[in-house]
Amino acid sequence: GAGVSQSPRYKVAKRGQDVALRCDPISGHVSLFWYQQALGQGPEFLTYFQNEAQLDKSGLPSDRFFAERPEGSVSTLKIQRTQQEDSAVYLCASTQTGGSYEQYFGPGTRLTVT
Amino acid sequence: GNSVTQMEGPVTLSEEAFLTINCTYTATGYPSLFWYVQYPGEGLQLLLKATKADDKGSNKGFEATYRKETTSFHLEKGSVQVSDSAVYFCALSLSFGNEKLTFGTGTRLTIIP
Repeated sequence: GAGVSQSPRYKVAKRGQDVALRCDPISGHVSLFWYQQALGQGPEFLTYFQNEAQLDKSGLPSDRFFAERPEGSVSTLKIQRTQQEDSAVYLCASTQTGGSYEQYFGPGTRLTVT
Repeated sequence: GNSVTQMEGPVTLSEEAFLTINCTYTATGYPSLFWYVQYPGEGLQLLLKATKADDKGSNKGFEATYRKETTSFHLEKGSVQVSDSAVYFCALSLSFGNEKLTFGTGTRLTIIP
């Protein structure tokens, strides 16, 4: 029973580069969430998938951020033309649907934009 | 909009002391409430939850009661241990089709032997 995994764990990007962050949810979990956690802050919601459908992307901070989950399991968060303000820990969480309420979080990817 | 306000830290206590971390919320509708914990070097874990008014969530000696009249969900523990040192996050979700969590800013707790 593996938990949620994320890769890479650490990423350093030069300003202007594109990055792709991967999330492997718990097998069979229907719902998948991405959060952004700035230093010293609580996580903030970015986007939500139910299976392959992206049902809420209201938290994505700009059109440079894009997420996909094409087969309803693995998800990728892509950030284009990274900026220094994108530096944060990006967390992925998955949950069963049907009101279990517990989101299982991955270890996060720490992105540093220089 | 929805928001969570929690006691600012850091909080430092001696072992066996009583702990309270305050949390209040603003929400449209009837949220579910959570405390998540992040131990050093580890990911976020659910500590406890309550899904309706007057429910009490409990786990590992921690308790929190969903108080609708005061819109609060304060975390308490009667006797803390060094192993409780962590960052604690209060959170809410409005689970009608999208259980996204709204978090507070976190409270760093350090327990001194």
